[in-house]
Amino acid sequence: AQSVTQLGSHVSVSEGALVLLRCNYSSSVPPYLFWYVQYPNQGLQLLLKYTTGATLVKGINGFEAEFKKSETSFHLTKPSAHMSDAAEYFCAVIHSGGYQKVTFGTGTKLQVIP
Amino acid sequence: GAVVSQHPSWVICKSGTSVKIECRSLDFQATTMFWYRQFPKQSLMLMATSNEGSKATYEQGVEKDKFLINHASLTLSTLTVTSAHPEDSSFYICSALGGTDTQYFGPGTRLTVL
Repeated sequence: AQSVTQLGSHVSVSEGALVLLRCNYSSSVPPYLFWYVQYPNQGLQLLLKYTTGATLVKGINGFEAEFKKSETSFHLTKPSAHMSDAAEYFCAVIHSGGYQKVTFGTGTKLQVIP
Repeated sequence: GAVVSQHPSWVICKSGTSVKIECRSLDFQATTMFWYRQFPKQSLMLMATSNEGSKATYEQGVEKDKFLINHASLTLSTLTVTSAHPEDSSFYICSALGGTDTQYFGPGTRLTVL
């Protein structure tokens, strides 16, 4: 079975500060990992994903995440927070074995303080 | 690319009526679509996996006779909430599988049952 843990349901950062949203996963097979962002009353937008290859993945809006197998982590970072980054962020995992069912984390709400 | 739409975006109905929600992949074909339900301040809960031309696969605890899913074409899946009750009020989100590993999400449908 696969699972995703997001540490911290709420994270607050000052505008211009580093954003770090934590995600740890468990999977019995090599995982595919995703970060999605959700703005109020909207669906989810894909930020970035890791499947194979380079472990540092760059996404949209200046976000990036690094897959660390030894730590079973896929933390999301952004060097400088912008007010428009305030949203809910979900980490997700699927098996790499071809079955596309997604397991989502519980989400982290990011607040950006001016 | 990879745009998914949902219609309607917001619906209010009386208890006992049925509501149909459409999910369309606009610029790609999706043999597999997913339906999720999201309660306030919570993560997404997978309700069912919809495969074009075959019966949907429902998650444990989801009533298939209450939540009817039809995936009649490669670009359209519908979710019908039959005999809706206030406890069915929620945010329903669909996604379409692009390629083999990435889900692209619709903007969601807010259902309020009076």
